[in-house]
Amino acid sequence: EVQLVQSGAEVKKPGESLKISCKGSGYSFTSYWIGWVRQMPGKGLEWMGIIYPGDSDTKHSPSFQGQVTISADKSISTAYLQWSSLKASDTAMYYCARCHRGKESFEIWGQGTMVTVSS
Amino acid sequence: QSALTQPPSASGSPGQSVTISCTGTSSDVGGYNYVSWYQQHPGKAPKLMIYGVSKRPSGVPDRFSGSKSGNAAFLTVSGLQAEDEADYYCSSYAGGNNWVFGGGTQLTVL
Repeated sequence: EVQLVQSGAEVKKPGESLKISCKGSGYSFTSYWIGWVRQMPGKGLEWMGIIYPGDSDTKHSPSFQGQVTISADKSISTAYLQWSSLKASDTAMYYCARCHRGKESFEIWGQGTMVTVSS
Repeated sequence: QSALTQPPSASGSPGQSVTISCTGTSSDVGGYNYVSWYQQHPGKAPKLMIYGVSKRPSGVPDRFSGSKSGNAAFLTVSGLQAEDEADYYCSSYAGGNNWVFGGGTQLTVL
């Protein structure tokens, strides 16, 4: 079964760092792009960026450039989203999703990782 | 890039049809035939319902259809059923490995 499994919920304080993960299985992880999507509480989906695990080619949305870092470790079929200094406004659900290039759509989604940043 | 524009809400009675619009620009919706639609039930991850403007992934009922005209795309749900009540988001490829989502539409089945 093709699936993306994300790491568990996190509760952090402002200023702390964080790295959440997204592990792919059931397919060739290096052959598909993985995107990250933010959903703030009660709000819509926002595209954050995308990475090709095969060669770590990465594109961040201008809205998130410099705010987060997207990376991947193809040896363990895992993509990452990380923050060096969290803010309260980073509180949100974060989804990873496999992108089918050619269809340019996100066809497989992880279950989401809830990040809560509070003092 | 700016988010695509969707109406915040839409509604219809069981069995009826409802159409949700998604307006972008010539740099996204109008420039590429890569509009997708996602369904999201409360507390769940989004699910791909339409890709490539009008194509359905395997397993998506044919009650769901998509179309595009100029800088606007549309999702039509025919024969509304109770389980169709959810939030719907459009998305478009915007070139250069960029994507953009719409603000979402809450569909209510009356």
